[in-house]
Amino acid sequence: QVNLLQSGAALVKPGASVKLSCKASGYTFTDYYIHWVKQSHGKSLEWIGYINPNSGYTNYNEKFKSKATLTVDKSTNTAYMELSRLTSEDSATYYCTTGAHWGQGVMVTVSS
Amino acid sequence: DVVLTQTPPTLSATIGQSVSISCRSSQSLLHSNGNTYLHWLLQRPGQSPQLLIYSVSRLESGVPNRFSGSGSGTDFTLKISGVEAEDLGVYYCVQGTHAPWTFGGGTKLELK
Repeated sequence: QVNLLQSGAALVKPGASVKLSCKASGYTFTDYYIHWVKQSHGKSLEWIGYINPNSGYTNYNEKFKSKATLTVDKSTNTAYMELSRLTSEDSATYYCTTGAHWGQGVMVTVSS
Repeated sequence: DVVLTQTPPTLSATIGQSVSISCRSSQSLLHSNGNTYLHWLLQRPGQSPQLLIYSVSRLESGVPNRFSGSGSGTDFTLKISGVEAEDLGVYYCVQGTHAPWTFGGGTKLELK
């Protein structure tokens, strides 16, 4: 069955970067785009962008263009999202998803 | 960006009751290719979102057929014909016709 396994929760200092992972299994990794979605505590969802695992092509929400960098490693069927120059506004749960299938989410807390 | 307005924000229902959730878009979600990329998600408490309906009315595999979607253009509806306890949570509409993808604010379904 399709599974998207995300890395564990992260506690990071303001100004630092963090790289989140999303390991796909149960399907052909290059068949579906991987999207990343942000959910701030108790709030709705925001689309960060997607990556085509086959070509590496990315499409970002303008709001996150200077914040997030999406990459993939086809050899390990893993998608990554790096968040840079972190502030308290970046504290949230982040999901990877193919649309039909969702990872379990990873909570990122930005605190000194 | 496309704004999706969901109503009501909260919905109280008894088991077995039929309910509807509305999602209105600030612009038409009919893509130039003839498809309409309006989908519905359910997020149960403490869980990742789950895809219920895609492209307005197509039931995702494994989703009970008490869920149905309808609509066109800017007005869309999710109907649950006979609420069950497992249906409680927050429902989101999401559009992928126009970049960036955007989500509605959510409708929380509670037990009356």
